[in-house]
Amino acid sequence: EAEVAQSPRYKITEKSQAVAFWCDPISGHATLYWYRQILGQGPELLVQFQDESVVDDSQLPKDRFSAERLKGVDSTLKIQPAELGDSAMYLCASSLTANQPQHFGDGTRLSIL
Amino acid sequence: QQPVQSPQAVILREGEDAVINCSSSKALYSVHWYRQKHGEAPVFLMILLKGGEQKGHEKISASFNEKKQQSSLYLTASQLSYSGTYFCGTTSYDKVIFGPGTSLSVIP
Repeated sequence: EAEVAQSPRYKITEKSQAVAFWCDPISGHATLYWYRQILGQGPELLVQFQDESVVDDSQLPKDRFSAERLKGVDSTLKIQPAELGDSAMYLCASSLTANQPQHFGDGTRLSIL
Repeated sequence: QQPVQSPQAVILREGEDAVINCSSSKALYSVHWYRQKHGEAPVFLMILLKGGEQKGHEKISASFNEKKQQSSLYLTASQLSYSGTYFCGTTSYDKVIFGPGTSLSVIP
């Protein structure tokens, strides 16, 4: 079982609705990542945190996606409004610091109807 | 820029060997390797830092040629448990960019 906790495991919602995902990394891990993975493809980095600071969000669609890690521990990724193309697996990972082994959570499977 | 992986897919019989290649058009600081089984999260295998080092764990090893900006993953005497999709992740600074993956199927 993965040590990085994510919830929910599955989410089905209609387009234009708001969606939120939660991630609790391994204790002591300073770096936290949010990835989007489309079936048959590699994980695509959406946002990377070092403690509470965003160090990379170049691929995050900022008109609809937001992410925060207020106290440098757990993190929330939000989509508002959701679009059909957002259907994917959303993975959270953490590592002691950048460029160290990443530990992935089980992910949230999002389906937009 | 996303690294390129080859082959896209490979089918092996138990006991056979395989090589998965990963290349980048950018200068690399390190290469990560992960394996993802169907319906599960990716699992870390190893990291190679620039310096041309080779790492290994039991029957899975890897090399990194920083001059050619390439890494290869070697699976020796494959087992059924090796089945899954293998991703390389390349870093030029602190950001890991994952390749499209290589699907490996080991059959009895």
